[in-house]
Amino acid sequence: DGGITQSPKYLFRKEGQNVTLSCEQNLNHDAMYWYRQDPGQGLRLIYYSQIVNDFQKGDIAEGYSVSREKKESFPLTVTSAQKNPTAFYLCASSMDPSSGGAGGYEQYFGPGTRLTVT
Amino acid sequence: QKEVEQDPGPLSVPEGAIVSLNCTYSNSAFQYFMWYRQYSRKGPELLMYTYSSGNKEDGRFTAQVDKSSKYISLFIRDSQPSDSATYLCAVNTSTGNQFYFGTGTSLTVIP
Repeated sequence: DGGITQSPKYLFRKEGQNVTLSCEQNLNHDAMYWYRQDPGQGLRLIYYSQIVNDFQKGDIAEGYSVSREKKESFPLTVTSAQKNPTAFYLCASSMDPSSGGAGGYEQYFGPGTRLTVT
Repeated sequence: QKEVEQDPGPLSVPEGAIVSLNCTYSNSAFQYFMWYRQYSRKGPELLMYTYSSGNKEDGRFTAQVDKSSKYISLFIRDSQPSDSATYLCAVNTSTGNQFYFGTGTSLTVIP
């Protein structure tokens, strides 16, 4: 089955520790995204990547880092510099809208990782 | 001004009712319009997407886009308790790198 997997589902960390969230997709999508979701604030874009070895900051990139070494994988590291890391993190993918193709550019989401930092 | 505005609700309706969920957007360049359903503690699930103006129907769900007024709607007919969730609208241009989301409307369908 094609889709996006995120692991782990729940993650607990002590303050001051870096933590890496996994995201893998087998949809053959070029573009991948990381969002943070907090109650009442909707989805906020952290980072996105259109191609391997390239990525751009979103609206709230401070305290986060990413890598895109493979088309299928887009891990997110929450660093100790992130002031309020406790949140629900969502990974998504889509065809690359800027590729000029004729397909739809809808975005598909993974099941999410709930991170709690104490 | 936000790219997409959505009434957060909450919205509570009896089973069998017709539900209307709405969003407005600011940029006339947006051409792709999506609706997602999100159950508590789960990732958003794509329900429908439409390109440009018009209606699209899928079972009990109808998505409607009015580009002249920059208004998008999702109608749910014969609503069921299993429809209870948060509904998110999203927009994108045909070449844009970012998707813009509404904050979501919480819907409860009462048996």
